Amino acid sequence: NAGVTQTPKFQVLKTGQSMTLQCAQDMNHEYMSWYRQDPGMGLRLIHYSVGAGITDQGEVPNGYNVSRSTTEDFPLRLLSAAPSQTSVYFCASRNRGFSGELFFGEGSRLTVL
Amino acid sequence: AQSVTQPDIHITVSEGASLELRCNYSYGATPYLFWYVQSPGQGLQLLLKYFSGDTLVQGIKGFEAEFKRSQSSFNLRKPSVHWSDAAEYFCAVGPNDYKLSFGAGTTVTVRA
Repeated sequence: NAGVTQTPKFQVLKTGQSMTLQCAQDMNHEYMSWYRQDPGMGLRLIHYSVGAGITDQGEVPNGYNVSRSTTEDFPLRLLSAAPSQTSVYFCASRNRGFSGELFFGEGSRLTVL
Repeated sequence: AQSVTQPDIHITVSEGASLELRCNYSYGATPYLFWYVQSPGQGLQLLLKYFSGDTLVQGIKGFEAEFKRSQSSFNLRKPSVHWSDAAEYFCAVGPNDYKLSFGAGTTVTVRA
């Protein structure tokens, strides 16, 4: 059971480039989300999805796009990367019902030069 | 708006000693409260959660936390720390169990 898988684990971009961070879960979880982690600021919610075809904005959505075409996948797109998007990104999922537990991936470290 | 404050950025504790991590939250209604732990290079793992009921909740790895509504606090405790408890600990609050606001984290160092 792989859980939540994020790729790539490390990426370096130049300002203005685009890229997609991939997130896949094999637990049939309805809810998926993306957080960014910055020193001294904890984790901040970027976007989330409560099911296929449904997405919504979190606390810091600007500069990021998401889509949810399948239950398993929830990619995060940076259309024009900026140095302020240098961060560690975490994908998380939760199962149906009221478990209260988010399952996190191991993170993707992004550096924008 | 919801927010979480973890006043201690870094705590050093001796192995076998007790540990208490502070968490204060701001939320207008009854909150959903969580403690997560992050080991170096890893994602976050749930330690414990509080939704309602008994204000003292037990979690994994011997951790417990107490919800005090009057103080808007949800402090995490462990009676005897092991070297494997060295990690970063995050308190989180939300209106449900997925739209969470996380604190900035407390790094725990365990000395022999």
